[in-house]
Amino acid sequence: SQQGEEDPQALSIQEGENATMNCSYKTSINNLQWYRQNSGRGLVHLILIRSNEREKHSGRLRVTLDTSKKSSSLLITASRAADTASYFCAISSNTGKLIFGQGTTLQVKP
Amino acid sequence: NAGVTQTPKFRVLKTGQSMTLLCAQDMNHEYMYWYRQDPGMGLRLIHYSVGEGTTAKGEVPDGYNVSRLKKQNFLLGLESAAPSQTSVYFCASSYGTGLFSPLHFGNGTRLTVT
Repeated sequence: SQQGEEDPQALSIQEGENATMNCSYKTSINNLQWYRQNSGRGLVHLILIRSNEREKHSGRLRVTLDTSKKSSSLLITASRAADTASYFCAISSNTGKLIFGQGTTLQVKP
Repeated sequence: NAGVTQTPKFRVLKTGQSMTLLCAQDMNHEYMYWYRQDPGMGLRLIHYSVGEGTTAKGEVPDGYNVSRLKKQNFLLGLESAAPSQTSVYFCASSYGTGLFSPLHFGNGTRLTVT
């Protein structure tokens, strides 16, 4: 399956702590994307990292990609209660379609 | 600029009934997609369109039909609803393919089939 597998399935941390979520996949990719979903809402795009990139930053978000290990991680630094959401990785292969993982549910306690 | 708008937001159907879910985008995107989201399953692609007048099957197309008569609209039809189609349905659009472009999602339609 091309689907990304995310780890952990659920994560609970205190406000101010860092949160790390991981995504592993089995096929070769063109890019890997991370999305956030707040409860009852649609997904919102966070970061796209191409297969020839190793790291990208956006504000408090840092994404790494290791194509040799077929894995990616999303780090949220100095977490806030508003970061409470589900986070999904999505794999883009040569088909051009995005295949989503099952997501990590993050709870940030104030 | 409303982005991607889905109607209705909620719907309850009885087994065998039909309905159409409407998706509209105002970003002039070529690509549009229908996904379903089920607990523990992530998002699964039902059908997609690479431009006006075109449609293609995704991972789980059975029991659904789609049409893209206008560039801004993508309709998802259920001809004879089944309890297995109880899910949250998301429409998305993108400027280009997933090779280059992020997806923009609507807020979903929660469908229950009894």
